Amino acid sequence: DIQMTQSPSSLSASVGDRVTITCRASQGIRNDLGWYQQRPGKAPKRLIYAASTLQSGVPSRFSGSGSGTEFTLTISSLQPEDFATYFCLQHNTYPRTFGQGTKVEIK
Amino acid sequence: QVQLVESGGDLVKPGGSLRLSCAVSGFTFSDYYMNWIRQAPGKGLEWVSYISTSGYTNSADSVKGRFTTSRDNAKNSLYLQMDSLTVEDTAVYYCARGGSSDYWGQGTLVTVSS
Repeated sequence: DIQMTQSPSSLSASVGDRVTITCRASQGIRNDLGWYQQRPGKAPKRLIYAASTLQSGVPSRFSGSGSGTEFTLTISSLQPEDFATYFCLQHNTYPRTFGQGTKVEIK
Repeated sequence: QVQLVESGGDLVKPGGSLRLSCAVSGFTFSDYYMNWIRQAPGKGLEWVSYISTSGYTNSADSVKGRFTTSRDNAKNSLYLQMDSLTVEDTAVYYCARGGSSDYWGQGTLVTVSS
């Protein structure tokens, strides 16, 4: 199975801060990776697909980069509604595997 | 718009069975692979199973032989039959669309406890 190592597991940041979250795959997955936002009790929402393509309707402050084994989600200027948990998902092979999640909290 | 709504979660005793459903709308269900994904309390996400457009299924080793995934294209519905449940199966269960899981439902809670 492909292991997805996500870091950090949590972070505290202020509105307006730039935030970066990383996922590392245990083997190459091309760009078969998505980034998701999850709020308590809500359906996970995909923000980025194909590692770097912004999902329609998602604010442009979200961006993704990377290919192969190293991937990054960046929020350029954190907004109040962005305080949530973020996770990555590789869909290169089955079983699908996930990063452990990053909880973004208010400083 | 795309919607996925899970149902069927409940409290069940170890060794018991449960059937989850996922009703979809807003897209042509028969054109898509579908996945089940779960999240145990305080834990990360775990892929459970998928079903192809032709009905081929695959599942995680942790549920193989106990869980069965099926679909009814006429009813725009996905199902997860869960048998021989254990406490480790306690989780919120999500259905998600497509090989890349672009849309997810809100989940349904399954609690396995005596």
